[in-house]
Amino acid sequence: DVKVTQSSRYLVKRTGEKVFLECVQDMDHENMFWYRQDPGLGLRLIYFSYDVKMKEKGDIPEGYSVSREKKERFSLILESASTNQTSMYLCASSLSTGFAEAFFGQGTRLTVV
Amino acid sequence: QKEVEQNSGPLSVPEGAIASLNCTYSDRGSQSFFWYRQYSGKSPELIMFIYSNGDKEDGRFTAQLNKASQYVSLLIRDSQPSDSATYLCAVIGAGRRALTFGSGTRLQVQP
Repeated sequence: DVKVTQSSRYLVKRTGEKVFLECVQDMDHENMFWYRQDPGLGLRLIYFSYDVKMKEKGDIPEGYSVSREKKERFSLILESASTNQTSMYLCASSLSTGFAEAFFGQGTRLTVV
Repeated sequence: QKEVEQNSGPLSVPEGAIASLNCTYSDRGSQSFFWYRQYSGKSPELIMFIYSNGDKEDGRFTAQLNKASQYVSLLIRDSQPSDSATYLCAVIGAGRRALTFGSGTRLQVQP
């Protein structure tokens, strides 16, 4: 079974803090993704990576950055957390070949106060 | 226009009935289509994927794809209360690697 593990299930951070969300997958997938999910808006893509050190912006990258130093690990960084970044963050991974489905981690519910 | 559109629901069906969930997409070059199920407080899990026009069946689930009309549907036969969840339609657009999701349809199966 594919396993995608996010480092925290719940996080509470203060406005202005630098926040790191970590994600690890164990299936040697090339692609990794960060989405955020908000009521009524569905899942929106923040960033994705298709190889080590390679990244592309998604639909809502403002206020976020990412790091992928190893194939299995993909980090999402909130440079200066703001209250409008309070959300559920979901990491996913997929193979690069064919039309591969994405497998999701358990999610991190981030609250910025 | 949203890239992937779904009716937010809730769609309420009695136990044992057929639930029909629909999704339309805007990118005519889209190649692959997915249905995910998400229980409250949980992450999405894949139910089915479909790439070719027509129907694809897996147990109680049937995915239907019509590329000419740009819609995808999911039929759930013999609906059970355990099927109550939000169903997310997702599409990989032409030349893209990431899934684009609809906002989901909430299904309620009444015992």
